[in-house]
Amino acid sequence: TQLLEQSPQFLSIQEGENLTVYCNSSSVFSSLQWYRQEPGEGPVLLVTVVTGGEVKKLKRLTFQFGDARKDSSLHITAAQPGDTGLYLCEHDYKLSFGAGTTVTVRA
Amino acid sequence: GAGVSQSPSNKVTEKGKDVELRCDPISGHTALYWYRQSLGQGLEFLIYFQGNSAPDKSGLPSDRFSAERTGGSVSTLTIQRTQQEDSAVYLCASSPGQARGETQYFGPGTRLLVL
Repeated sequence: TQLLEQSPQFLSIQEGENLTVYCNSSSVFSSLQWYRQEPGEGPVLLVTVVTGGEVKKLKRLTFQFGDARKDSSLHITAAQPGDTGLYLCEHDYKLSFGAGTTVTVRA
Repeated sequence: GAGVSQSPSNKVTEKGKDVELRCDPISGHTALYWYRQSLGQGLEFLIYFQGNSAPDKSGLPSDRFSAERTGGSVSTLTIQRTQQEDSAVYLCASSPGQARGETQYFGPGTRLLVL
């Protein structure tokens, strides 16, 4: 059983559209990290969220951490082809990753 | 500065052979992690080294898998008597702090194919 469930599994959108991907767990996270992985490369850390209810913004990316610290979302505004990749969430202490959401942004 | 490097980048081997995968972490990073990523899957934790502490080997899938970290720097992951289900990308990461799992910097991975 996966500790972290990510949805959707795949997402294909047109450049300029918005998208949201989700990460959920039945357990409480001490903290959660989001990574993006491009083909042939290792994951790159985007953000760490620690506090329930926290919202962090990174340019066009907005990360939310649920009040109960069991879920998180990543919202991308006006997606660009450079946002294409596999988005992974991680429970950092447990070193457990979700299976990821593969995002494709078409030009 | 230099990031995490891994070698070889690709490895093809025959079932039953042993393989060694190498990871050079970022200089000064105390923590080192190994993960396995199968096609279309997330990362599966294998082993975690932190400084001079005993490593957390709880993610190793069988006794055919072992890892060492010499001098607190370079690490080698060894898979003995490889099986076809061992085919995957093996990723190494390092991080500078003492907190488990924080801010991991990943290498590009070694793609292992067992025929």
